[in-house]
Amino acid sequence: GESVGLHLPTLSVQEGDNSIINCAYSNSASDYFIWYKQESGKGPQFIIDIRSNMDKRQGQRVTVLLNKTVKHLSLQIAATQPGDSAVYFCAGVNYTGANSKLTFGKGITLSVRP
Amino acid sequence: KAGVTQTPRYLIKTRGQQVTLSCSPISGHRSVSWYQQTPGQGLQFLFEYFSETQRNKGNFPGRFSGRQFSNSRSEMNVSTLELGDSALYLCASRRPGLASYNEQFFGPGTRLTVL
Repeated sequence: GESVGLHLPTLSVQEGDNSIINCAYSNSASDYFIWYKQESGKGPQFIIDIRSNMDKRQGQRVTVLLNKTVKHLSLQIAATQPGDSAVYFCAGVNYTGANSKLTFGKGITLSVRP
Repeated sequence: KAGVTQTPRYLIKTRGQQVTLSCSPISGHRSVSWYQQTPGQGLQFLFEYFSETQRNKGNFPGRFSGRQFSNSRSEMNVSTLELGDSALYLCASRRPGLASYNEQFFGPGTRLTVL
């Protein structure tokens, strides 16, 4: 089955620096990838997505990069702020028409130092 | 627009009991998915319901079941609880289709503790 995993369990960055969170996936048939942010006591919140036919997508202060050759996904957060402190998950979707399943990575904690 | 609501928010049960968790999706969202979140295994997909039918299922034993009602509200049930079932159970709703994952919203979860 598909596995989506993260390289590092925790990441500590200085406020104002850029953050890079990495993720590896095993299922080359994944159609779609998503990054989620989960704050304490809340459910995961969508950050940004990317389809498998793209290699880069930018949002507000966030960029997702997809390298299908090495099955690697990364989330870049520009000018990291204290409010970015949370657990981040990557997830892959294998879409088969009416049925699809979202497979999450383990999660990485981002801690922003003031 | 109201978000995804889950009840109860916290639950304590003992081994062998059964439990039912409830999820009310965002209005207009007909697809409801359930996930189990634990420190050791992370977020794992349980099942997804659409139009009162289970569309997809994760790798969980038959003790885990669910259903969806005609108003899209969903319940999940865990029978014969085990200590390892202690987790945060998350519900998410969206419109069906690949493009709607960017509009999938999660509820705050139900924290289940099995003693």
